[in-house]
Amino acid sequence: DSGVTQTPKHLITATGQRVTLRCSPRSGDLSVYWYQQSLDQGLQFLIQYYNGEERAKGNILERFSAQQFPDLHSELNLSSLELGDSALYFCASSVAGGSTKNIQYFGAGTRLSVL
Amino acid sequence: QKEVEQDPGPLSVPEGAIVSLNCTYSNSAFQYFMWYRQYSRKGPELLMYTYSSGNKEDGRFTAQVDKSSKYISLFIRDSQPSDSATYLCAMIKNDMRFGAGTRLTVKP
Repeated sequence: DSGVTQTPKHLITATGQRVTLRCSPRSGDLSVYWYQQSLDQGLQFLIQYYNGEERAKGNILERFSAQQFPDLHSELNLSSLELGDSALYFCASSVAGGSTKNIQYFGAGTRLSVL
Repeated sequence: QKEVEQDPGPLSVPEGAIVSLNCTYSNSAFQYFMWYRQYSRKGPELLMYTYSSGNKEDGRFTAQVDKSSKYISLFIRDSQPSDSATYLCAMIKNDMRFGAGTRLTVKP
């Protein structure tokens, strides 16, 4: 168990809908990262938050947004969902946001199915 | 050119074989090197990390780093069917960069 908790484990929804994925980082970790992994594809970095502030942005669509709350949990919001958004969404956390020892620990993921 | 290159495989070996998984990188500023194992539809799990050039051993797994050649390897001895997974290399400068992952199948 990595200590990173993601909910829900599985989400089934329809095109055009909006969903929220939740992540609780490991105790003591200040940084949260979101990744998308489509079937048989590599990890695509979406966005990083550090202590409530956006730190880095990857290939995140405008329909997607995220935030990190004062208790350090994070939410990834996906709106106007399309079939191609079906994927595994992983959250990872690390102690710091920009140090050289920024090893990430991953949650079990949320599997999103858009029908 | 990608910062981190990893052969996606797939790689298939018989049980008991020694497996060698490799990554190359272009940025000499990378300082920490990691290997993650990802079972199908599961989150990546940190296997090993190392800082300096040389070898680091943990059970059947050995991580090797050659900073002069910008090359890292993961060796798995006496491979088992339970080792079948995708292995991702990763490295840190200020942020983490992942390789694409190598899919390994160990056949009984």
